[in-house]
Formats: sequence, C-alpha cells, structure tokens
Amino acid sequence: SQQGEEDPQALSIQEGENATMNCSYKTSINNLQWYRQNSGRGLVHLILIRSNEREKHSGRLRVTLDTSKKSSSLLITASRAADTASYFCATADSGTYKYIFGTGTRLKVLA
Amino acid sequence: EAGVTQFPSHSVIEKGQTVTLRCDPISGHDNLYWYRRVMGKEIKFLLHFVKESKQDESGMPNNRFLAERTGGTYSTLKVQPAELEDSGVYFCASSQNYRETQYFGPGTRLLVL
Repeated sequence: SQQGEEDPQALSIQEGENATMNCSYKTSINNLQWYRQNSGRGLVHLILIRSNEREKHSGRLRVTLDTSKKSSSLLITASRAADTASYFCATADSGTYKYIFGTGTRLKVLA
Repeated sequence: EAGVTQFPSHSVIEKGQTVTLRCDPISGHDNLYWYRRVMGKEIKFLLHFVKESKQDESGMPNNRFLAERTGGTYSTLKVQPAELEDSGVYFCASSQNYRETQYFGPGTRLLVL
C-alpha cells in the first residue's frame, strides 16, 4: 500500500458533527503535515506535527501522531459546510525533503 | 506576503503540443518543488530545486519534462511533446528550509486532448 495512506477514502457527515480522518505511513519521518484541497483549488496547509510531538491543536483542528504505529489522525470538530474538501496527509522522510502524499479523504459536510 | 503563484491556472492542449508551466515561489524561499496529481491519484513528487540547482529530479516521469529555475527565482516546467497521460494538476511548492513546511500554489490544471 502507499505511504501516507488515508482512511476513510470518503466521509459524509452533518454540519456540527466531528470528522476524523486517519493516515498511515511506512518509514521514519521528520514531520507529518495535513493539507486541504477544496474543489478546483490548490493545497492549503493546515497543520504540521513533528516526530517528537504527540498532539497538536489549531482552532477546530486536532492532530495526533503515533510514531510507534506510524499513524496520524486529523479531527475536525463542529464541522461546517465550508470544511467540505479533500484532506491529505504528507510525510517527509527523515533526511529528505520529498513529501509523500496519500490518496486523500474526501469529506462532505451536509448543511 | 504573497503566496506561491502558478500560471496558467488551466491549460488545454492537443497531444504533441508543448506547454510551459510557471511557478513563482514565496519571496526568499530557496527551495522550490514540483508535484503533480494525475487522474485523481496521489500527489507525487517530481523534483526539487535549491536556488537554481536541481537537487533531486528523481520523480520526473521521462525526458519530455524539463524544469528550469534560472536565477533561482521563478521556475518553469515544460512538457514537450505532451501526451494524454500528462493530464492532471501540477503543483508547485516552496519552503525556506527543506525541513520546514512546504507552501503550495493553486496548481495548474493541464488537459491534453
């Protein structure tokens, strides 16, 4: 399977609910980042978590990182219709600069 | 501070034609990267510049792709001749330090007919 693999591939929730997306990766990393891509637009950086961090918050976003399981999760609380987008995790291998992206989770928030 | 910009936003060309994509990184960012997303698949690394030097072009699919960054500022990615499988979204990103966050541009949507 691909490095930086997200699940679920698609998620549909009601406005106000929480959305959780997971990402798994294979190699050791320097950091892991989450990006959002709205339909027809570019990638927007959401949050970076370093390999020595376990949890990070930014507004309605909460990211966790478990390096022992090589996995990360992105939680969006109190979702809004504007959160509808594809979400990608990206990992940078230790000592390199290449981002490896997964196929993304398509989130749809219904108003 | 202006973000990463890319031009054009969309390009529709016929198979066999040439297309040149441009990326302007964030001012002061020495590191510039190209990625692409083809056919809804994952976003894949193409190459990395540090200033005007190519650090890694291991992700370039074949010799129909040529990237340049003369003067270490903006970069161009030329596809010549374009093939149908080159259709996709081409992203450019820049960072101040290769260990830090890469900031992405809006992408160029390329459609080869």
